[in-house]
Amino acid sequence: GENVEQHPSTLSVQEGDSAVIKCTYSDSASNYFPWYKQELGKRPQLIIDIRSNVGEKKDQRIAVTLNKTAKHFSLHITETQPEDSAVYFCAASMYSSASKIIFGSGTRLSIRP
Amino acid sequence: NAGVTQTPKFRVLKTGQSMTLLCAQDMNHEYMYWYRQDPGMGLRLIHYSVGEGTTAKGEVPDGYNVSRLKKQNFLLGLESAAPSQTSVYFCASSSSWGTGDQPQHFGDGTRLSIL
Repeated sequence: GENVEQHPSTLSVQEGDSAVIKCTYSDSASNYFPWYKQELGKRPQLIIDIRSNVGEKKDQRIAVTLNKTAKHFSLHITETQPEDSAVYFCAASMYSSASKIIFGSGTRLSIRP
Repeated sequence: NAGVTQTPKFRVLKTGQSMTLLCAQDMNHEYMYWYRQDPGMGLRLIHYSVGEGTTAKGEVPDGYNVSRLKKQNFLLGLESAAPSQTSVYFCASSSSWGTGDQPQHFGDGTRLSIL
């Protein structure tokens, strides 16, 4: 089955710097890759997603890149701000199968003032 | 529009007790899911449903049962609680899979402790 590995598990960056979180997946049939942000004690919320027919997607300070050949995708946050502090989860799934959405183990991002 | 609502928010059980977690969504979504979240392990799918009257096993189904008698509700049951089931449980819903942008919407979670 699908396996998603996420690195690093913790990340601390200076406010204003960029943060990058990387994920790899094992099932080449996966074609949908969402990213969720979870603030302390709150629900996971979708922040950006990418489909396999696209190599990069950007939304303001957040971007996601996908390399299908290498089976890895990354989240990039630029000009980090204190409110970016949270746990970020990547996931991989297939359109056609709700049971195959697999989450990474999460990255705790801390923004230093 | 409340989205996805989970009850209760917190619960403490003794080993062997039973309980039911309720998830309700008001977005007319077909798909509903139950996850558990443990430290350092992300979200793991317990059971899911693709429509009223249907359920299916996810990644970690043992020790849990579910029912989807009404489209808007998805119940997660623990028949005989064990300490290993101490976790935070999240319910989520989404519209039909495979038709485009269909992200999952999560509830606020239920923190369950088994003593």
